[in-house]
Amino acid sequence: EPEVTQTPSHQVTQMGQEVILRCVPISNHLYFYWYRQILGQKVEFLVSFYNNEISEKSEIFDDQFSVERPDGSNFTLKIRSTKLEDSAMYFCASSVGQSGTQYFGPGTRLLVL
Amino acid sequence: DQQVKQNSPSLSVQEGRISILNCDYTNSMFDYFLWYKKYPAEGPTFLISISSIKDKNEDGRFTVFLNKSAKHLSLHIVPSQPGDSAVYFCAASGNNNAGNMLTFGGGTRLMVKP
Repeated sequence: EPEVTQTPSHQVTQMGQEVILRCVPISNHLYFYWYRQILGQKVEFLVSFYNNEISEKSEIFDDQFSVERPDGSNFTLKIRSTKLEDSAMYFCASSVGQSGTQYFGPGTRLLVL
Repeated sequence: DQQVKQNSPSLSVQEGRISILNCDYTNSMFDYFLWYKKYPAEGPTFLISISSIKDKNEDGRFTVFLNKSAKHLSLHIVPSQPGDSAVYFCAASGNNNAGNMLTFGGGTRLMVKP
């Protein structure tokens, strides 16, 4: 059964460093998403991406964040200068269509020290 | 901003009995609702969904009910099994946004006792 994959599973970084989180969405899906879950809090939407453009982003997704689909399979989230409060689980998701069910990857646990 | 709320942080049920998980929402623009199950250190796994044009959707042991007038949905699991023990999230999306963002509830931890 096809699934969304994410790498790395864990990432530890120093405050101010750049991190890139990687995702491989399900191959025939056209819509891609990033969500995050800070420990003890809700899963929060960050950004959605379609046709090589951001289609929607939340207030969390400020200038420190960027997304890219550098090739036909990967979808990346870059945090330019990490802050302590960026520590969270980051989930990638994908869906076939705009109103389709979103399927999530296993997540990347990011710890900013 | 709690547009989607799960008021019960935990629920304990005996194996074989029915588990009922509840979810309330405030945004009347939501028109698609989903339930996800999550184990520790894993991503949310899709379980079942319902469109606002329906009031019930069933898939095996899982049934979702939607009451639009009350802005309430529930997930019924029957019979409950120990392997169902996990955190369950309801999520909602609406036709008022271009990106199909999901808004999640806070989750309910279900424990099914053998």
